[in-house]
Amino acid sequence: QVQLQESGPGLVKPSETLALTCAVSGGSITGHYWSWIRQPPGRGLEWIGHISHSGSATYNPSLKSRVTISVHTSKNQFSLSLNSVTTADTAVYYCVRYYSGYSYGYFDFWGQGALVTVSA
Amino acid sequence: DIQMTQSPSSLSASVGDRVTITCRASQSIGTYLNWYQHKPGKAPKLLIYVASNLQSGVPARFSGSVSGTDFTLTISSLQPEDFATYYCQQSYVSPWTFGLGTKVEVK
Repeated sequence: QVQLQESGPGLVKPSETLALTCAVSGGSITGHYWSWIRQPPGRGLEWIGHISHSGSATYNPSLKSRVTISVHTSKNQFSLSLNSVTTADTAVYYCVRYYSGYSYGYFDFWGQGALVTVSA
Repeated sequence: DIQMTQSPSSLSASVGDRVTITCRASQSIGTYLNWYQHKPGKAPKLLIYVASNLQSGVPARFSGSVSGTDFTLTISSLQPEDFATYYCQQSYVSPWTFGLGTKVEVK
């Protein structure tokens, strides 16, 4: 059973960079895509982007100018960097595996989520 | 981006009730629609993928169907552990987008 665990600071100051890491266990990071999804308080889920084990990344255009997702295959980890944060970036951040089939895909394994608050 | 519209935004139901949640896509997405269950403080859980395929380990009281751009999640007999928020998500084209959710509450 694949398990994911987010880690990183729970508090970030406005204009600074939010950085989270996701550790993958119970399976190799090789294959599939590895995503970040967030949920602001009281709101719905927003896909941030994903990366393949080879390092090919795709981002949500709404965040593309501020986001970088990286993969660290030797550590079975991937990470999220979101710069120039504002209070609107306060959210629970989930790391998630995106299973990619022949022509379809779905998010099948999720981390527990990490609350990141942007505040001075 | 493809907009996913869920209805209702919330509903009240009792144990044993049949519950139906609808999700409509702003354009054709074929059957590339997934359903998730989310409980407070927990990770969302995949229930249904590609419109009607039950994820392994998910009880058979959950089912999904599609008619054109309208998708339906049905819980045939609501159980106490089913009170949660349910989200649809399209996987037809990036950026992957979710509906705003349907909260199933105790009546």
